[in-house]
Amino acid sequence: GNSVTQMEGPVTLSEEAFLTINCTYTATGYPSLFWYVQYPGEGLQLLLKATKADDKGSNKGFEATYRKETTSFHLEKGSVQVSDSAVYFCALRPGAGSYQLTFGKGTKLSVIP
Amino acid sequence: ETGVTQSPTHLIKTRGQQVTLRCSSQSGHNTVSWYQQALGQGPQFIFQYYREEENGRGNFPPRFSGLQFPNYSSELNVNALELDDSALYLCASSPGQGILNTGELFFGEGSRLTVL
Repeated sequence: GNSVTQMEGPVTLSEEAFLTINCTYTATGYPSLFWYVQYPGEGLQLLLKATKADDKGSNKGFEATYRKETTSFHLEKGSVQVSDSAVYFCALRPGAGSYQLTFGKGTKLSVIP
Repeated sequence: ETGVTQSPTHLIKTRGQQVTLRCSSQSGHNTVSWYQQALGQGPQFIFQYYREEENGRGNFPPRFSGLQFPNYSSELNVNALELDDSALYLCASSPGQGILNTGELFFGEGSRLTVL
């Protein structure tokens, strides 16, 4: 079946530090990959996505590249801010004909001034 | 543009009771899905509705059921509540099927259910 594994948290970083949150997946076919973010007191919202191998998704300074050879979609940001403190979820959609998302367990990020 | 709204935000039930959770989808969205998020876990897909019919279901028992109404709002019903049903229940809407389906879901803030 489909599954997503992401690094355990919580992760605590100082402001302006480099962020990497690892995500690997198992899926048949050609899934689409997503990062969702959940800020405190808010609903989940899409951060970025990639729909095919070697695509790079980017938004708000965050980036992730769809690596089919390593079945990975690691999230990176060069310089985090306090406002980036949130829970980050990696997710996959199995194919264009499917509407179900499979999520990882989430990684809580805390950025301290 | 009104986002996805859910009600109630919090509720407490006892084992064996039944619960109904409600969701209004974002304007223009005709597909609604429900997810269960246990504490410390990622959301798990329960089912999805499109044009008032269920068109996808995750690994949840039949006591989890739903409805979608002509205005695309939706309900999640859970019968015979168990302690393990305690979770945050998330509703998500999306703008359509086929080429309109980009895979992005728009989530509400959830209904937190506690079963005692």
